[in-house]
Amino acid sequence: GAGVSQSPSNKVTEKGKDVELRCDPISGHTALYWYRQSLGQGLEFLIYFQGNSAPDKSGLPSDRFSAERTGGSVSTLTIQRTQQEDSAVYLCASSHPPPIGRSEQFFGPGTRLTVL
Amino acid sequence: DQQVKQNSPSLSVQEGRISILNCDYTNSMFDYFLWYKKYPAEGPTFLISISSIKDKNEDGRFTVFLNKSAKHLSLHIVPSQPGDSAVYFCAASDPSGTYKYIFGTGTRLKVLA
Repeated sequence: GAGVSQSPSNKVTEKGKDVELRCDPISGHTALYWYRQSLGQGLEFLIYFQGNSAPDKSGLPSDRFSAERTGGSVSTLTIQRTQQEDSAVYLCASSHPPPIGRSEQFFGPGTRLTVL
Repeated sequence: DQQVKQNSPSLSVQEGRISILNCDYTNSMFDYFLWYKKYPAEGPTFLISISSIKDKNEDGRFTVFLNKSAKHLSLHIVPSQPGDSAVYFCAASDPSGTYKYIFGTGTRLKVLA
């Protein structure tokens, strides 16, 4: 079956521009997570969706970051006025709702964002 | 403040020998732990997990040990194979309602043929 897909796979942008990253979760997975991995760092939690609502946005690093999810499926992570420190691999994961879904989150291949 | 730590950034092991990857955590409320494997340009894939009610979980060549008193877990791979070469991430599942994962910084394992 289809796994989690993300687009684009790579994105190069200039400092100050806005970018949108897309995640298509596994069908039927109501829980969706965004993480990012900066160079030499572990995976850092950004935001959690259950259905279309985001009960945990505690990992978003600044108000330049926002995310939405529509139809309980596709999610978009938007970074406004990108900065060089935003350069990272942005990973999306989906799972069945907690607590069942805690046993495994399924990750997409990520979007590598480079801000020049 | 790093709640999950992997203090060895890299490890090299001969094929056929045992690989031991270590992970420490600071929050005693964590009750579920996972190991993920990541190849370059791919997303992490689930390897094995353990609940805090156990101290060992085994799946084929992979065994995870949990020492709650020491807040330490380890992943053993026996025998190691060249295809095991990857970055291994330890993660704790946040016991709050979201169950988001809190990851360590990863250990790059290289299995030498």
